[in-house]
Amino acid sequence: DIQMTQSPSSLSASVGDRVTITCQASQDISNYLNWYQQRPGKAPKLLIYDAFNLETGVPSRFSGRGSGTHFSFTISSLQPEDIATYYCQQYDDVPFYTFGQGTKLEI
Amino acid sequence: QVQLQESGPRLVKPSETLSLTCTVSGGSISSYYWSWIRQPPGKGLEWIGYIYYNGNTKSNPSLKSRVTISVDTSKNQFSLKLTSVTAADTAFYYCAAGGVRFHYWGQGTLVTVSS
Repeated sequence: DIQMTQSPSSLSASVGDRVTITCQASQDISNYLNWYQQRPGKAPKLLIYDAFNLETGVPSRFSGRGSGTHFSFTISSLQPEDIATYYCQQYDDVPFYTFGQGTKLEI
Repeated sequence: QVQLQESGPRLVKPSETLSLTCTVSGGSISSYYWSWIRQPPGKGLEWIGYIYYNGNTKSNPSLKSRVTISVDTSKNQFSLKLTSVTAADTAFYYCAAGGVRFHYWGQGTLVTVSS
């Protein structure tokens, strides 16, 4: 099975900062990678699919890039409502979809 | 907008079967694949499996043969059964729309396995 390793596991930043999270796959997954935001006590929310496509209605300050084994997720200007845990998820390995361990973002 | 709501017992005894139902509103159950995902309290996410409206299913091999996912198109519902549960199956269980990416999620329900 494919392992997804996110870094950092936690991150403290200030409003307005540019924040980047990385996700590394244990093998080539092409662009079969999604990013989710999970606010405290809430269900996850899809932000980015297929590595770089913005889900409908998601603010443009969120972006993703990468392919193969190395991926990144960026918030261009951190807002207070972005406090959450962020997860990457691969779907190359059918039917063993896996998530990264999460990155907890604090302000 | 598609909305999902999980329902079912919140407390299950060890060795028994966990059963949950997800009711879909605001859209047709034939529009998406439908998945179950779980999250132990304070931990990460684990995909359990998905079903299509025609009954085609796939599930996480790590859960072996304990998982059954079914669909009832007449009620716009799909269901999860997880047999022989242990304390390790205590988690928030989410239903979600999508087979490889999960566009819409239910609010989640905490199921505790305890005697």
